[in-house]
Amino acid sequence: GAVVSQHPSRVICKSGTSVKIECRSLDFQATTMFWYRQFPKQSLMLMATSNEGSKATYEQGVEKDKFLINHASLTLSTLTVTSAHPEDSSFYICSARLPSGGALFNEQFFGPGTRLTVL
Amino acid sequence: DAKTTQPNSMESNEEEPVHLPCNHSTISGTDYIHWYRQLPSQGPEYVIHGLTSNVNNRMASLAIAEDRKSSTLILHRATLRDAAVYYCILLRGTASKLTFGTGTRLQVTL
Repeated sequence: GAVVSQHPSRVICKSGTSVKIECRSLDFQATTMFWYRQFPKQSLMLMATSNEGSKATYEQGVEKDKFLINHASLTLSTLTVTSAHPEDSSFYICSARLPSGGALFNEQFFGPGTRLTVL
Repeated sequence: DAKTTQPNSMESNEEEPVHLPCNHSTISGTDYIHWYRQLPSQGPEYVIHGLTSNVNNRMASLAIAEDRKSSTLILHRATLRDAAVYYCILLRGTASKLTFGTGTRLQVTL
C-alpha cells in the first residue's frame, strides 16, 4: 500500500519560534495532500488542502499566515507553524491521495503524525 | 455534507465479532460510505468503503442498509490490535475532503 511519512515525529520548541513539519509520499506521487490538527481527546480537524504547484486552500478559521503550507513537489508538502505559542501544541497529521484515476483513488493515506509541544 | 451518527464507545471481547453501527439518514445518492480507524497516537488508516452493495476486504466487511440510511462495519474476529477509534465518513462522489466526526472508540478485552 501507499506510504506517507512525516518528520519529525515529535518536536518541542520555545514560544515564538517557527517549526517546520514535512510530509512525504514515499512510493507514489500525490497531487493533493491534506493537513489536519488533533487536540487531545478530540477528533481530527482539517486545516488545509495542499495542491502541488499552487496555493493551499485553508479551512475557515485557520490562519494562513500562521500555518504556511508549501507543496513544491509531487512527493513533499511542508507545514510551518510560525511564531508558535503553547495553544498551537497539538498532533499534526498529513494525508495524501492518489491522483485521479488510480485504483485506490478513494483512499487517503495518512502519515504517522507529528506531536508539537510549545513551551 | 451529510452527517453521520455513531455511538461514542463500544466494548468487545477478543476473538469475537464486532458490529460498529453508523447512521446517515440524510445521505445522498452520490455519497460513498467510508470507514477509517485511528489507533492510539497514530494517523488514521483506511478500512473500507462502499456505495450500495456490501463490501468485504481483508480488514473488515461493510454492510449497507437497503435504504442506505445506515451501515455497519463488521470486524469478524476482534483482536487487541483492533482497539481504536472508528470513523464513519460520507464522501460525495469524487470529493476528497474527509470530515471526521467523533467516531466510536472500540475497546477490546481479553
